[in-house]
Amino acid sequence: AQSVAQPEDQVNVAEGNPLTVKCTYSVSGNPYLFWYVQYPNRGLQFLLKYITGDNLVKGSYGFEAEFNKSQTSFHLKKPSALVSDSALYFCAVRDPSGGSYIPTFGRGTSLIVHP
Amino acid sequence: DTAVSQTPKYLVTQMGNDKSIKCEQNLGHDTMYWYKQDSKKFLKIMFSYNNKELIINETVPNRFSPKSPDKAHLNLHINSLELGDSAVYFCASTNRGTGETQYFGPGTRLLVL
Repeated sequence: AQSVAQPEDQVNVAEGNPLTVKCTYSVSGNPYLFWYVQYPNRGLQFLLKYITGDNLVKGSYGFEAEFNKSQTSFHLKKPSALVSDSALYFCAVRDPSGGSYIPTFGRGTSLIVHP
Repeated sequence: DTAVSQTPKYLVTQMGNDKSIKCEQNLGHDTMYWYKQDSKKFLKIMFSYNNKELIINETVPNRFSPKSPDKAHLNLHINSLELGDSAVYFCASTNRGTGETQYFGPGTRLLVL
């Protein structure tokens, strides 16, 4: 079975400060991990993913995430937040050893960046 | 040149009606999905479909049915609409075995009165 948790419903950060949005996962094998962003009244947009290789993954809009197998985490980070980063962020996981091509999405974390 | 498109964007209807939402992708992907996003923004997978198999989330009522006329289209039919069906429905597509990034449509906002 695969599962993913986003422990924070909301993250508040001041513009210019670093931001972190947390994600932990549970799979039986090696995970495929994804981050998506949803702006108001829009569909989800892909930010970045980890499939294999370097644990530090860089994505769109200056975001990055680090795959940490020992902590089963894939936190999303950005060194300097922008007001325009305010949105809903979803972490997703798929266990490629599970035989299903359906990812599991977290409940979402609302990021609010204050001017 | 929208990658994944959905129609209509908004749908307001009465309880008991039957409605359809259309989805088209021009990315050449082999797998398409339907998701339901409720008022709390939780995403729930409803269906996964490619040309070989349909996977149905067992919690989805059988009033909901996907129909795929070809690989580029996956439509969602809903019979006997209920108040609880009010939500935003997203279509998405991906290619299996090539990184599996999902590309989402803009959503269809369904309101059942």
